[in-house]
Amino acid sequence: QVQLVESGGGVVQPGRSLRLSCAASGFTFSSSVMHWVRQAPGKGLEWVDAISHDGTKIYYADSVKGRFTISRDNSKNTLYLEMNSLRPDDTAVYYCAGGPTIDYWGQGTLVTVSS
Amino acid sequence: EVVLTQSPDTLSLSPGERATLSCRASQSVGRYLAWYQQQPGQAPRLLIYDTSHRATGIPARFSGSGSETDFTLTISSLEPEDSAVYYCQHRSNWPITFGQGTRLEI
Repeated sequence: QVQLVESGGGVVQPGRSLRLSCAASGFTFSSSVMHWVRQAPGKGLEWVDAISHDGTKIYYADSVKGRFTISRDNSKNTLYLEMNSLRPDDTAVYYCAGGPTIDYWGQGTLVTVSS
Repeated sequence: EVVLTQSPDTLSLSPGERATLSCRASQSVGRYLAWYQQQPGQAPRLLIYDTSHRATGIPARFSGSGSETDFTLTISSLEPEDSAVYYCQHRSNWPITFGQGTRLEI
């Protein structure tokens, strides 16, 4: 059974940093492109970034480029998102997603950026 | 960046009726278009990938069609549990983008 479990969300002040993790199981994590997708309260889905199966290719949305860093540890079946210089408009539920056609999703972790 | 525009924003129908949701791309995405269903408080669920392929476990009443810039999600006979927000998404190039969503009310 495929499972993606995000952790690390919480309340953080503007300008501070936060690191999210996503633990994967039930599929071949090391063969899968992985993504972070976010959803601001009451809004639609926004793709954030993606990383190739071996970590050599990384892609970012313009809205997070230079502030967020996606990475992975295939030995631990874990995906990460390092978020720096956080802004109030980064407030969202952050989903970890992956699979051949982005068919696996976690339940999300809420990040609230507020003073 | 490919902009995906969904229509209508909201669709209100009755059980047993047919729903037709549209997604238009600002440039060709080939057939790399997917549809997701999201119910309140839940993560999105993949319904259709690569325009017309149903994901595992998705009922046959869901179907997708289209190509290049114009795509359609059809739900042939609505069930009450189909009430949700539906998003289209492309993966033809980077960045991946989503449509703004269509809210389907049953």
